[in-house]
Amino acid sequence: QVQLQESGPGLVKPSETLALTCVVSNFSITIGYYWGWIRQPPGKGLEWIGNIYHRGSAYYNPSLESRVTLSVDTAKNQFSVKLSSVTAADTAVYYCARLVGGWGNEAFDIWGQGTMVTVSS
Amino acid sequence: QSVLTQPPSVSATPGQRVTISCSGSSSNIGNNYVSWYQQLPGTAPKLLIYDNNERPSGIPDRFSGSKSGTSATLGISGLQTGDEADYYCGTWDSSLSVWVFGGGTKLTVL
Repeated sequence: QVQLQESGPGLVKPSETLALTCVVSNFSITIGYYWGWIRQPPGKGLEWIGNIYHRGSAYYNPSLESRVTLSVDTAKNQFSVKLSSVTAADTAVYYCARLVGGWGNEAFDIWGQGTMVTVSS
Repeated sequence: QSVLTQPPSVSATPGQRVTISCSGSSSNIGNNYVSWYQQLPGTAPKLLIYDNNERPSGIPDRFSGSKSGTSATLGISGLQTGDEADYYCGTWDSSLSVWVFGGGTKLTVL
């Protein structure tokens, strides 16, 4: 079955850039779905970060847009997120997920297990 | 403050039916489809309902979804202790151009 696995540093210093990768298994990301990132601060709810298509077009949460960049590496069947100028407020579990459906009737149907990122000096 | 409003918690006993509400506006629930996610303790969210009322393969029919106007509802019947989890609604907000989730509802099966 389709699997997503996040990876990246678990600790990032304030003001630095958080970088995570999501490897997709048993499914080619070039088939045509959007791929997304969602985060969850400890004890809190879900916050959408952004989505990216395999051809590179992306759209972001306006609240994070100035600091976020999503990218895709089709050769490695993976996609990535970079979040710059991080603060303690960016401490969260970061999930990658597949977005299915069309505009207005989408859903995140498959999620990675999540990776905890702590921002601290 | 979430754009979609859910009750923080609900509780019921095994075998009972419970509903979880998700209230929004015309820019989100009113004009887009709603999905629901179950997050068991310490795990990633899992898709329970999409397109307001459709279940992915493998999701039992004890779980149901509905939408009316700017509100959506998740129903869980025949409650089991294994249903204890946080439940989130989600949809696209066309005015804010952002995917929004409800604040989450913690279900306790007493």
